[in-house]
Amino acid sequence: LAKTTQPISMDSYEGQEVNITCSHNNIATNDYITWYQQFPSQGPRFIIQGYKTKVTNEVASLFIPADRKSSTLSLPRVSLSDTAVYYCLVGDEGSGTYKYIFGTGTRLKVLA
Amino acid sequence: GAGVSQSPRYKVTKRGQDVALRCDPISGHVSLYWYRQALGQGPEFLTYFNYEAQQDKSGLPNDRFSAERPEGSISTLTIQRTEQRDSAMYRCASSATGGNQPQHFGDGTRLSIL
Repeated sequence: LAKTTQPISMDSYEGQEVNITCSHNNIATNDYITWYQQFPSQGPRFIIQGYKTKVTNEVASLFIPADRKSSTLSLPRVSLSDTAVYYCLVGDEGSGTYKYIFGTGTRLKVLA
Repeated sequence: GAGVSQSPRYKVTKRGQDVALRCDPISGHVSLYWYRQALGQGPEFLTYFNYEAQQDKSGLPNDRFSAERPEGSISTLTIQRTEQRDSAMYRCASSATGGNQPQHFGDGTRLSIL
């Protein structure tokens, strides 16, 4: 059963870069690493996904070292609206089917 | 539609009643997932479908919970003989295909059992 470990919470100030690291020591060979953002009263929203090295899109970057046992979500120049819970996920192919296991996530609070 | 649609948004019912929660996925999406989310926790996997076939129901808490997706599009999660501990946010997600594909979530149904 793939599991992830993230810090429970983080604080940052507007305009700073925020890095949230997730550990997934028993990630499987064909697992991708996926990050979601969730605001109160809304469903999780896909941010970024990667398999190895670095992935960048318009909102974030994802850094994955060669051993893939951890990953770091980088949010450049955060604003107050980035205050949310961030989830790191890898898949679980137990029982021959594939599903996501969410943890408790990292609660990011951006301060003015 | 533009996104995953769930109905009703809120459901309040008395203990012992049956409830049916509906999910309308993004058009053309093959895979559909049901989750339950308690306050302050991440979504908890319940079950998922590829087309109309239920692939994994290992997360359903007990046999009062069931789900179907008869035509491979809209899905219904049914809870029979509801109990207070069933109170939670129930979320549905869909993805273009299964596996590692990103999932798109609806805004959920808030279920309250009195």
